[in-house]
Amino acid sequence: QVQLQESGPGLVKPSQTLSLTCTVSGGSISSGGYYWSWIRQHPGKGLEWIGYIYYSGSTYYNPSLKSRVTISVDTSKNQFSLKLSSVTAADTAVYYCARHIKHTYYDFIDYWGQGTLVTVSS
Amino acid sequence: QSVLTQPPSASGTPGQRVTISCSGSSSNIGSNTVNWYQQLPGTAPKLLIYSNNQRPSGVPDRFSGSKSGTSASLAISGLQSEDEADYYCAAWDDSLNGRYWVFGGGTKLTVL
Repeated sequence: QVQLQESGPGLVKPSQTLSLTCTVSGGSISSGGYYWSWIRQHPGKGLEWIGYIYYSGSTYYNPSLKSRVTISVDTSKNQFSLKLSSVTAADTAVYYCARHIKHTYYDFIDYWGQGTLVTVSS
Repeated sequence: QSVLTQPPSASGTPGQRVTISCSGSSSNIGSNTVNWYQQLPGTAPKLLIYSNNQRPSGVPDRFSGSKSGTSASLAISGLQSEDEADYYCAAWDDSLNGRYWVFGGGTKLTVL
């Protein structure tokens, strides 16, 4: 059973960089066919895809966040990370990491972390 | 404002059939498959339907999905109280703006 666990500061000051790490257990992050995603949910709102990374380092980002986002992977630790720069209160949200399975005939998120609330405030 | 459009709310009584719509465009639903996720209060989303109409193992056959053109629908038959949740559609968007996953704004289902 694959499990994902987000970790990182729950409070970030405006203009600083939000940094989160997702630790994957029960499976290798280097397994082909999977992308490793970050998704966020503003309080009381819907889901917003931030981006994802393949174990090789190939990334895709949401165009609306691309200028501020960096997703990286550390295969030796079975972890991947999110950095979001120049944060404002609008970046306050629950951040989820997730595994995205990509196949010729299907393409979906099959495992999610429990989510971590990050508040941007001075 | 979400790229995919869903009604903000839906409701039904136990045993009824309800449908939730998801409207997109040629760059997302019109050219790619649709997934549906269920989010129970206070929990992470869970995959409900993938590739327009496929149910993962463990999802009751009361849930079904369909797609036509640039729109998709989720149907829930034999509505049960435990179906009260938020439902999100998602699709890959491949446009001049970029290539990325887009979600609907979510539909809150209330079981009366």
